[in-house]
Amino acid sequence: EAGVVQSPRYKIIEKKQPVAFWCNPISGHNTLYWYRQNLGQGPELLIRYENEEAVDDSQLPKDRFSAERLKGVDSTLKIQPAELGDSAVYLCASSPLTGLNTGELFFGEGSRLTVL
Amino acid sequence: AQSVTQPDIHITVSEGASLELRCNYSYGATPYLFWYVQSPGQGLQLLLKYFSGDTLVQGIKGFEAEFKRSQSSFNLSKPSVHWSDAAEYFCAVQHNYGQNFVFGPGTRLSVLP
Repeated sequence: EAGVVQSPRYKIIEKKQPVAFWCNPISGHNTLYWYRQNLGQGPELLIRYENEEAVDDSQLPKDRFSAERLKGVDSTLKIQPAELGDSAVYLCASSPLTGLNTGELFFGEGSRLTVL
Repeated sequence: AQSVTQPDIHITVSEGASLELRCNYSYGATPYLFWYVQSPGQGLQLLLKYFSGDTLVQGIKGFEAEFKRSQSSFNLSKPSVHWSDAAEYFCAVQHNYGQNFVFGPGTRLSVLP
């Protein structure tokens, strides 16, 4: 079974440029998360989807960040324009939404963004 | 609001030595508790989880963790560390099924040969 796939793995851009990250979750996983992980810190939630609905985007900086999950499968996270402080690793995770709570998040390898 | 603390930013142990990583949480009720490991350049992988029942839980790679309600702690341990255990370890809580996960800041483990 394929895991969570993210691309690109690395991205270097200049400030004020746009950037987009893509995530394909594990097949059948209804719930999809985007996390931001700053250097030396734990992941912090940006947005959580259940199917195509964003059920929690309270931590997403909506002035410059946007996300979509069309058809409830893969998802895209966009930053426009990027700022120096956006340099981080962007992690995508998925989990099945079933009656049995496994409680496990399955993470991709992340997309490392460097803003110059 | 929920919070997770991991008091040790960085721990160094010798290969073969025992290990304990600390985790404390603040929440009124007992949340679901997790330990994840992150190797360099990789995503996070679940080591173990606690929902209810036996307060000592076994995980993968020889790790175990003990839930202590009175101390609001969920410490991770391993009797004998291997060089391949060098990684970043994150404690996480989820206060109810379907709710968001809150991660601690992580503890970086270095293993000396």
